[in-house]
Amino acid sequence: DTAVSQTPKYLVTQMGNDKSIKCEQNLGHDTMYWYKQDSKKFLKIMFSYNNKELIINETVPNRFSPKSPDKAHLNLHINSLELGDSAVYFCASSPEVGGNTEAFFGQGTRLTVV
Amino acid sequence: GEDVEQSLFLSVREGDSSVINCTYTDSSSTYLYWYKQEPGAGLQLLTYIFSNMDMKQDQRLTVLLNKKDKHLSLRIADTQTGDSAIYFCAESRGGGNKLTFGTGTQLKVEL
Repeated sequence: DTAVSQTPKYLVTQMGNDKSIKCEQNLGHDTMYWYKQDSKKFLKIMFSYNNKELIINETVPNRFSPKSPDKAHLNLHINSLELGDSAVYFCASSPEVGGNTEAFFGQGTRLTVV
Repeated sequence: GEDVEQSLFLSVREGDSSVINCTYTDSSSTYLYWYKQEPGAGLQLLTYIFSNMDMKQDQRLTVLLNKKDKHLSLRIADTQTGDSAIYFCAESRGGGNKLTFGTGTQLKVEL
């Protein structure tokens, strides 16, 4: 069974569209994240949720809205997509807040905005 | 990463040891990690070290931490072609579980 799964794996869409990426973890972890990896492979955290509560929001445009219906799911909705949003988006989870952030990552969603 | 630096490329011959280096600036980092990313794949946690340790060994992997110089290294013994990937160091700063990643080192293993 996949521990952290994201769908879709690939997403190609036009500028101005709204899209969502879904993430689910079956590890029983309390904390989930979204990271963005750009074309130079640079990874940066976007959001972190602990038990459905937002705890990190790193200077991300308001067009990005995470939603956590329960602690096993963290979805990412993006409005009015722009060319610069093209990247690989990784979902991750870790067992606890503070201490060892042993994060487990999903396989990534490659978003291409045309 | 904004404060975590790595060299971009490393090329080694199969069977040799690889040493990947990382420097960070936040002395309050509690845990430091090494992740591996193969092409088209997610990040796989390889190992981590707590900031009060100097060294950690796990099979072919050895992590060295010099807290005074804020320098972290990952040594891979007997490097194999399957070790070819991008390696990221990351630091965990207190509160919020935020991981700050390094710029990544592309390791190429040649026959």
